[in-house]
Amino acid sequence: AQSVTQPDIHITVSEGASLELRCNYSYGATPYLFWYVQSPGQGLQLLLKYFSGDTLVQGIKGFEAEFKRSQSSFNLRKPSVHWSDAAEYFCAVGVPGGGGNKLTFGTGTQLKVEL
Amino acid sequence: DVKVTQSSRYLVKRTGEKVFLECVQDMDHENMFWYRQDPGLGLRLIYFSYDVKMKEKGDIPEGYSVSREKKERFSLILESASTNQTSMYLCASRVTGPHYGYTFGSGTRLTVV
Repeated sequence: AQSVTQPDIHITVSEGASLELRCNYSYGATPYLFWYVQSPGQGLQLLLKYFSGDTLVQGIKGFEAEFKRSQSSFNLRKPSVHWSDAAEYFCAVGVPGGGGNKLTFGTGTQLKVEL
Repeated sequence: DVKVTQSSRYLVKRTGEKVFLECVQDMDHENMFWYRQDPGLGLRLIYFSYDVKMKEKGDIPEGYSVSREKKERFSLILESASTNQTSMYLCASRVTGPHYGYTFGSGTRLTVV
């Protein structure tokens, strides 16, 4: 079964600074990979996803993520953080194919932005 | 865009009550999911359904059941609510094929007192 690790529970960055949120997964082949963001009291919004092809993926709100097979990682990055980026971020892994396979989430990283 | 609607944003129920959480999607998706979200634990899958009247247990099904009588509606049922089921519940639907992806509802925050 697949699993996801987000090693950082909380991260604090200054507005305008760069950001990298870490995500490591465990799966025997290349999974589908996702990053979601959740603002307080809200549902999950998809930032970006990776299925195959170019390992650098561009998403919404200026975010990008890079798939590194050798490291089983899919880290999320943003060159310059805005105060509105303060939220909780979830990495998730899905198994390719349809049917009953599911999305498995990491435990999340809470991002705080200092003005 | 796909819309996933959860009927209640906030619910307060008493211990022992039977609780229904409703989820409706508007895009004829076959696959629907119920997750529970708790601080420090992320989202954990309770049940999922890949077609009408079809259901499978997720990682934490104990104390829950589900119903899928129509394709667009997936209900989560707490047969006898307990305080340890106080949580945020998120519903999702999934499209397969070239546009593979999940869409989540806004969540229902359930408090059992």
